[in-house]
Amino acid sequence: GNSVTQMEGPVTLSEEAFLTINCTYTATGYPSLFWYVQYPGEGLQLLLKATKADDKGSNKGFEATYRKETTSFHLEKGSVQVSDSAVYFCALYNNNDMRFGAGTRLTVKP
Amino acid sequence: EAGVTQFPSHSVIEKGQTVTLRCDPISGHDNLYWYRRVMGKEIKFLLHFVKESKQDESGMPNNRFLAERTGGTYSTLKVQPAELEDSGVYFCASSPSRARTYEQYFGPGTRLTVT
Repeated sequence: GNSVTQMEGPVTLSEEAFLTINCTYTATGYPSLFWYVQYPGEGLQLLLKATKADDKGSNKGFEATYRKETTSFHLEKGSVQVSDSAVYFCALYNNNDMRFGAGTRLTVKP
Repeated sequence: EAGVTQFPSHSVIEKGQTVTLRCDPISGHDNLYWYRRVMGKEIKFLLHFVKESKQDESGMPNNRFLAERTGGTYSTLKVQPAELEDSGVYFCASSPSRARTYEQYFGPGTRLTVT
């Protein structure tokens, strides 16, 4: 079946630190992969996506590369800001099935 | 354009009581989804409406949960009677009829606490 496993939080970083949130998946075939972000008091928003192997999704300074050989889609940002504090969800879509990870709470301190 | 709204934002009820959650999708969106996130775990799909019809309700946990979407506009999710394990955050999402499944607009969620 389809499943997503992501790094447990919470993660606390200082401003301008490097961020990595790990995400691995299990799926048959060729899923599409996503990162969603939920800012405080708001709904989930699609942050970035990748639909095939070796694709790199990017948005707002965040990047993630679809690695089929390691079944991973790790989220990275070179220099986080306080405004990046949120909960981040890794997700996949495969065969009409949408699966989310458990979410990772990121807090960035000034 | 207003986004997806959910009401209430937080509900605290006792075990055995009934609670009704409401979701107002973006106007004109035919697809409406309910999800649940329990105790900081993964967000799980509950069901999918296309207009007023239930397209997929495979994620509904048991018959204590009843979802409706009369007239194909807003939707309600009723839990009766509520149990402790129903505590969590209930998300609603909507999308236009031709959108890809991942192109959903999410509401802020309703946090349900059953004591």
